[in-house]
Amino acid sequence: NAGVMQNPRHLVRRRGQEARLRCSPMKGHSHVYWYRQLPEEGLKFMVYLQKENIIDESGMPKERFSAEFPKEGPSILRIQQVVRGDSAAYFCASSPSTGGTEAFFGQGTRLTVV
Amino acid sequence: QKEVEQDPGPLSVPEGAIVSLNCTYSNSAFQYFMWYRQYSRKGPELLMYTYSSGNKEDGRFTAQVDKSSKYISLFIRDSQPSDSATYLCAMMDSNYQLIWGAGTKLIIKP
Repeated sequence: NAGVMQNPRHLVRRRGQEARLRCSPMKGHSHVYWYRQLPEEGLKFMVYLQKENIIDESGMPKERFSAEFPKEGPSILRIQQVVRGDSAAYFCASSPSTGGTEAFFGQGTRLTVV
Repeated sequence: QKEVEQDPGPLSVPEGAIVSLNCTYSNSAFQYFMWYRQYSRKGPELLMYTYSSGNKEDGRFTAQVDKSSKYISLFIRDSQPSDSATYLCAMMDSNYQLIWGAGTKLIIKP
């Protein structure tokens, strides 16, 4: 049973470009969480999704950021018109049930905006 | 004031020492308390979680929750160099979201 898979592991984008981060949850998990981590800081919740539904996006910036978790395929975190401040590690976690007490994390995608 | 406070360290101790890592919080509604370990450039991994007040032991690790003081601790006995990592506390709010501490960087010196 493969763990949570995130790709790419590293992503470099120029200011103004789009970044697409992918997360494939563990087999049997239907809940996905996205977090952002800045250097020397804890994880900041961004969005919680179930298949085809956004449950809680209270941590998502109102502009430029969007997330989806389609019926088939990975969850996607999309950042449009990236700025330097978007540079961070983005982690995805999946869990088999609501609550996240059994959440397992992927290795993260490190986004660098130049 | 942050909802969860955690000293970022670094905390450096000799191999074999007992390590004490702590978090304080302000939201009395938190019910679940977790400790995650994160190695450099890796995703966090769940070490332990506890519900409400009390102690929970797992091998060399003991998690302690004191809800009256809004204080949680993780103790590591017989610390090993492989325990060197960042330890993050996390707490679950009423919306089932995890609220994270900033993490404490732990260094175990051989």
